Amino acid sequence: DIQMTQSPSSVSASVGDRVTITCRASQGISSWLVWYQQKPGKAPKLLIYAASSLQRGVPSRFSGSGSGTDFTLTISSLQPEDFATYYCQQANSFPFTFGPGTKVDIK
Amino acid sequence: QLQLQESGPGLVKPSETLSLTCTVSGGSISSSSYYWGWIRQPPGKGLEWIGYISYSGSTYYNPSLKSRVTISVDTSKNQLSLRLNSVTAADTAVYYCARFCSGVTCSSASDAFDIWGQGTVVTVSS
Repeated sequence: DIQMTQSPSSVSASVGDRVTITCRASQGISSWLVWYQQKPGKAPKLLIYAASSLQRGVPSRFSGSGSGTDFTLTISSLQPEDFATYYCQQANSFPFTFGPGTKVDIK
Repeated sequence: QLQLQESGPGLVKPSETLSLTCTVSGGSISSSSYYWGWIRQPPGKGLEWIGYISYSGSTYYNPSLKSRVTISVDTSKNQLSLRLNSVTAADTAVYYCARFCSGVTCSSASDAFDIWGQGTVVTVSS
């Protein structure tokens, strides 16, 4: 199985801050990387697919980059509704695997 | 607007079978290019992919669960089903159904779970 790691595990930030989350795969996954946002008690919401493609309806302050084993999710200017947990997921091979999550909370 | 809704017992006894249904509305479960999957999340923990089924009926399971899991579709009811045998407390989780599209014909995101149900809580306890 491909192992996914994320850093940091949590980050405290203020509204307007730039936030960067890193995801690393245990082996190369090309650009088969997805980012989700999850708020407490809710289902995950798709943000980014194919490492850098913004899902329809997702604000442009979210962006993704990377390929191979190292990927980044960036929130350019954190908004109140962005406080949540973010997960990466590899779609390169079975079984699909998720990272452990990064919680973004209010400083 | 496509919507998914999970349903099923919220409490299952150890060693018994967990059975859940996901009803798809606003679209057909038989649409080509789409896969229909199950993902679970134990309390306070991360996400685990259980498996999915293609529009043609091919199934793909997580090897960690493969011996106990069956995913099927009922096209007449536009429903997706999950059966997990011999459950233990470790199977306690929120279970989500979700849509996955693969290929160049995807109208929305490709190779990602783009639409999710709200989730249903399943507790395994006697």
